[in-house]
Amino acid sequence: ETGVTQSPTHLIKTRGQQVTLRCSSQSGHNTVSWYQQALGQGPQFIFQYYREEENGRGNFPPRFSGLQFPNYSSELNVNALELDDSALYLCASSWGTSEQFFGPGTRLTVL
Amino acid sequence: DQQVKQNSPSLSVQEGRISILNCDYTNSMFDYFLWYKKYPAEGPTFLISISSIKDKNEDGRFTVFLNKSAKHLSLHIVPSQPGDSAVYFCAAIAGYGGATNKLIFGTGTLLAVQP
Repeated sequence: ETGVTQSPTHLIKTRGQQVTLRCSSQSGHNTVSWYQQALGQGPQFIFQYYREEENGRGNFPPRFSGLQFPNYSSELNVNALELDDSALYLCASSWGTSEQFFGPGTRLTVL
Repeated sequence: DQQVKQNSPSLSVQEGRISILNCDYTNSMFDYFLWYKKYPAEGPTFLISISSIKDKNEDGRFTVFLNKSAKHLSLHIVPSQPGDSAVYFCAAIAGYGGATNKLIFGTGTLLAVQP
């Protein structure tokens, strides 16, 4: 059974650029959630996708958007990057609202 | 507005002794609570959980206690082992079993178990 994988591991961007982060959910899972973990903070919920539809969103601006594909993998897109977007981005997959399994994260640095 | 708070950023414990990690919450709609452990360069991994209808849940060396009236939960690790050294996050869900399993996390406590 393959766990949750994320790519890339690390990424450096400059202010104003756009970034796409990718997540492959664990086999058998149909729900993906994205979290942002800033330095010294706990993960904060960005949004969740269930069967390709957004199913809940946290307090993040519209420049944070996402997609879920038919194979249940997912993308997180961030437009017009700001310095405060520097963080670890975590993806978690689950079967519906059952236990979430986290990937290792993507470390984004915005210069 | 921090709905889940872990007021101790770090904790150091001797191997074999008890580790007690604390968590407070403010939202009375939370009905399910979880503890996650996180090693560097890895995602959080689920450790133990408790429903709001219970006041204690045990799994091997790990026990979680919930005091609803005080809006407080704690994780006890007995005996502590060096491999337990990690960041521990407390998390909560409002409306468990409903339409979403959105987790609200605390800021984490770094546990160091000294050999």
